[in-house]
Amino acid sequence: EVQLVQSGAEVKKPGESLKISCKGSGYSFTSYWIGWVRQMPGKGLEWMGIIYPGDSDTRYSPSFQGQVTISADKSISTAYLQWSSLKASDTAMYYCARISLTETHDYWGQGTLVTVSS
Amino acid sequence: QSALTQPASVSGSPGQSITISCTGTSSDVGGYNYVSWYQQHPGKAPKLMIYEVSNRPSGVPDRFSGSKSGNTASLTISGLQAEDEADYYCSSYTSSSTHVFGGGTKLTVL
Repeated sequence: EVQLVQSGAEVKKPGESLKISCKGSGYSFTSYWIGWVRQMPGKGLEWMGIIYPGDSDTRYSPSFQGQVTISADKSISTAYLQWSSLKASDTAMYYCARISLTETHDYWGQGTLVTVSS
Repeated sequence: QSALTQPASVSGSPGQSITISCTGTSSDVGGYNYVSWYQQHPGKAPKLMIYEVSNRPSGVPDRFSGSKSGNTASLTISGLQAEDEADYYCSSYTSSSTHVFGGGTKLTVL
């Protein structure tokens, strides 16, 4: 069974750094892209970027390029999303999703709620 | 890279049919048959309902169907049921080798 399990909710202060994770299981982790999606409170889904764990090839939405870093550790089947300096506007639910061979987000993690507040 | 355009809301009575549109450009929806649709209930993760414009994953009722004409894709739900009330999002692969979502449509079952 394909599963993506994300790390738990985080509460941070502006300016702090953060790295959240997404662990895949039940499939060949290195053979599928993993994407990250933001959902701000009461708002829609926003596509952030993707990584191919097999070779760490990474692509970002122009809206998120330079704002976050996507990485992966294939030895532990885990993808990451990180910030070096959080802002209040980063407060959102973040989902990871597997990208299928037909360019579909076919399996989703349960989401990680990030709250940034002073 | 702009979000795909969806109506903010649609509504229908139980048993009726509704259609949600998703308009993009020739660089995304119009250029590829990689359009997907997702259902999201409040407080839940999105769920894949349609992929490659018109294909249903296993377990998705055949009341859900998808189509595309030019730069606009559509999701049709026939025989509306109360549990179909949710937010629906389209997404497309793009010419930049990235993806883009629509703004989302809130479906209300009257």
